[in-house]
Formats: sequence, C-alpha cells, structure tokens
Amino acid sequence: AQSVAQPEDQVNVAEGNPLTVKCTYSVSGNPYLFWYVQYPNRGLQFLLKYITGDNLVKGSYGFEAEFNKSQTSFHLKKPSALVSDSALYFCAVREENAGNMLTFGGGTRLMVKP
Amino acid sequence: EAQVTQNPRYLITVTGKKLTVTCSQNMNHEYMSWYRQDPGLGLRQIYYSMNVEVTDKGDVPEGYKVSRKEKRNFPLILESPSPNQTSLYFCASRKGDWGEQFFGPGTRLTVL
Repeated sequence: AQSVAQPEDQVNVAEGNPLTVKCTYSVSGNPYLFWYVQYPNRGLQFLLKYITGDNLVKGSYGFEAEFNKSQTSFHLKKPSALVSDSALYFCAVREENAGNMLTFGGGTRLMVKP
Repeated sequence: EAQVTQNPRYLITVTGKKLTVTCSQNMNHEYMSWYRQDPGLGLRQIYYSMNVEVTDKGDVPEGYKVSRKEKRNFPLILESPSPNQTSLYFCASRKGDWGEQFFGPGTRLTVL
C-alpha cells in the first residue's frame, strides 16, 4: 500500500528566508509525486509534480521540490518565503500502475511572518 | 473559465436523510474523484471515475455511492448519512493520466 508522511504539522519561517516543507513516501513501485497548496476556504491548487526525469522539479509561485529516491523524500522548497505563501500544503503520491488511487499526506501549515 | 463546481457549498442535515452533492466540470476531463478532508488526516479518496460508467472505490468508500452517467457530472450520494460523515468534501477532475488535478471549492457537510 502507498502512503505519505508529512512529519511537521506546522512550519514557521520569517519572510525572505528559505523554506522547506518535508514529505516522505512509501510505495512498492515507482512513485509519482505531487504538491498542492490550500488557501483558507478554498480548494486545493496544484503546485508541481514529479513523474520521471530530472530530480529537481520547478513549479508555480517560485516553489521547487527535489525527488530523492534513496531517502524516499520529496521536500518542497522556496529560496525566499513571502507572507502570501502562508497556507496549508499537501504532498501526495500515486504508485505507477496503481490505477487512479492518489494518497495525500496529513498536510503542513506554513506560517511566514513579516 | 475552466472550473469544477460543487453544490451545495454548505449543508446541515440529520442522520438517515439521503442527500446528494453534485459535482460538474467544464474541461472535458476523463478522470474525476471525490475526497473528504478531516483535520490531521489530509485528504482521503472516497471514489474515483476514469470515464463514463467506470467508477472504483478509493480509500474510504463505505457509506457513499457515486455515478458517472455523463462525462461532466460526478455526484456523491449519501444514502443514510451518519455523524461520522461530517467533513469537508472536495470533487476533483483531471485530463489523462498525468494532467493537473483541478479541485472544486468544497462542500462542508454536517450530519447531526
């Protein structure tokens, strides 16, 4: 069975500092990995995905994520945080050839302080 | 505007009273899904559909039904709602295997 863990319920960072939101996964085969962001009272918005190829994936709003197969991780990063980045972030995984089952992590709340 | 719409956005009901939450997308997407979001549990997939008349169970299908008679619509049916189905529900759609998934605005359901 596939699973995702986001070990931090909340991440606090000062505006202008780099941010990292952690995600680790478990699958039997090849993973397909996604990050989504949820702003208050809104649905989820797609940020980026890793399917194959370059381990460093660039996405929307200046975010990027690095796929690390040996550590089974897909951490979300941004070089310089903005207050407007404050939101709830979800990592998700789908295993290759596992149909349409998409498994989400529990979410990490990012708080960026001025 | 490309979007996924859900109705109603908010619903308070009582145990055992059948209800339907509608979901519609205007992007001609093949894949559609229903999720529920609960604090600390993230989103859990209830059901998904890969095309018209093709549906399958997700992680937490118990107590829910779906149908996909038309490509654009994917209603979620609770035949006999119970309080443990109080949650925030999201419908989503995507094109093809690796297309971006678009989410609806959510339906907050309370079952008393």
